[in-house]
Amino acid sequence: QVYLVESGGGVVQPGGSLRLSCAASGFTFSSFGMHWVRQAPGKGLEWLAYVRYDGRRTQYADSVKGRFTISRDSSKNTLFLQMSSLRPDDTAVYYCVKEYRDNVEFFDYWGQGTLVTVSS
Amino acid sequence: EIVMTQSLDTLSVSPGERATLSCRASQSISSNLVWYQQKPGQAPRLLIYGASTRATGIPARFSGSGSGTEFTLTITSLQSEDFAVYYCQHHHAWPLTFGGGTKVEI
Repeated sequence: QVYLVESGGGVVQPGGSLRLSCAASGFTFSSFGMHWVRQAPGKGLEWLAYVRYDGRRTQYADSVKGRFTISRDSSKNTLFLQMSSLRPDDTAVYYCVKEYRDNVEFFDYWGQGTLVTVSS
Repeated sequence: EIVMTQSLDTLSVSPGERATLSCRASQSISSNLVWYQQKPGQAPRLLIYGASTRATGIPARFSGSGSGTEFTLTITSLQSEDFAVYYCQHHHAWPLTFGGGTKVEI
């Protein structure tokens, strides 16, 4: 059974930073690319970032490029999202998601999400 | 960026009826299209990939069709548990993008 468990969400002031983590289990973490997807309250889904199975390639949405950094530690089966220069419109539930397979970037497993609120 | 458009924000149907949802891509994405279902307070769930292949455990009343720029998700004989929001997503190129979602309600 695949599990993805996000943590690290909370309330942060505009301009602040936050680091999200996602603990993965139930599959060979080092063999799959991973992504972050977010959903603002009452809104749709927005893809944010991707890291390849070996950590050597990343992709970002324009909305977070230069502010967010995705990374992974395969020795700990953990995915990260370092977020900086946070803005109120970054307020959302952040989901950790697993790719279906290498170079096939849709998502067969989702975490339960962690809420990030950017507010003064 | 490929823009995914789900023209209907909301679709009102009755249990037992058929629901037809559409998704349009701003350029051809071949069959690199998936559908997700999201219920309130839950993460999305993969329904359809490759435009027409049901994911593991998805009932046969869900079907997908289309290629290129026009795609359809059909739910025959709607059950109470099918009332949810449905999103399409392409994976043809970076960046990945989702449609805005269609809420299927009673």
